[in-house]
Amino acid sequence: SQTIHQWPATLVQPVGSPLSLECTVEGTSNPNLYWYRQAAGRGLQLLFYSVGIGQISSEVPQNLSASRPQDRQFILSSKKLLLSDSGFYLCAWSLLEFTEQFFGPGTRLTVL
Amino acid sequence: SQELEQSPQSLIVQEGKNLTINCTSSKTLYGLYWYKQKYGEGLIFLMMLQKGGEEKSHEKITAKLDEKKQQSSLHITASQPSHAGIYLCGAASGTYKYIFGTGTRLKVLA
Repeated sequence: SQTIHQWPATLVQPVGSPLSLECTVEGTSNPNLYWYRQAAGRGLQLLFYSVGIGQISSEVPQNLSASRPQDRQFILSSKKLLLSDSGFYLCAWSLLEFTEQFFGPGTRLTVL
Repeated sequence: SQELEQSPQSLIVQEGKNLTINCTSSKTLYGLYWYKQKYGEGLIFLMMLQKGGEEKSHEKITAKLDEKKQQSSLHITASQPSHAGIYLCGAASGTYKYIFGTGTRLKVLA
């Protein structure tokens, strides 16, 4: 069966510090991978998606970036965090276009 | 751009009662997904609807997609405390792009 992992589970970082969140999927090959942010009182916002190694599409201009160095690994990064980057970050995968997504447990990021 | 509106935003029911959550799209839906989220956790996939008039059930949860494919409803029969959480509807809004409603918070009183 497929599983998706995210770490760390929680993170408290000062403004201006770098960020690296990791997501890995097990039990499937060539998944489509997604990064979402969920802010309090707001829905899920799609940040990035990837259909293959090295292929990243950005949905929202911001100081975040994503990379996919391996087939089942997806990384969300920032060089300098802003207060507005605080939120709950979710990684997800899907097998095909227009199919259901499966989500990881999430990372709670607080920028102080 | 397409938007999903959920109603109600929050719901408190007594254990054993039935309830319905609605999800309305501003455009025709080509796939509607229902998820459940507990606070601070990831989303759990419940079911997917694609065809107008389609209805699916999982345990005591039933979801329907109306014929015009612009609205879906999620119905819980004989609610239990384990049903508590946030229910979100999602839809494909383009190639590899998904949008979500803002969620309905359900609390079930024992």
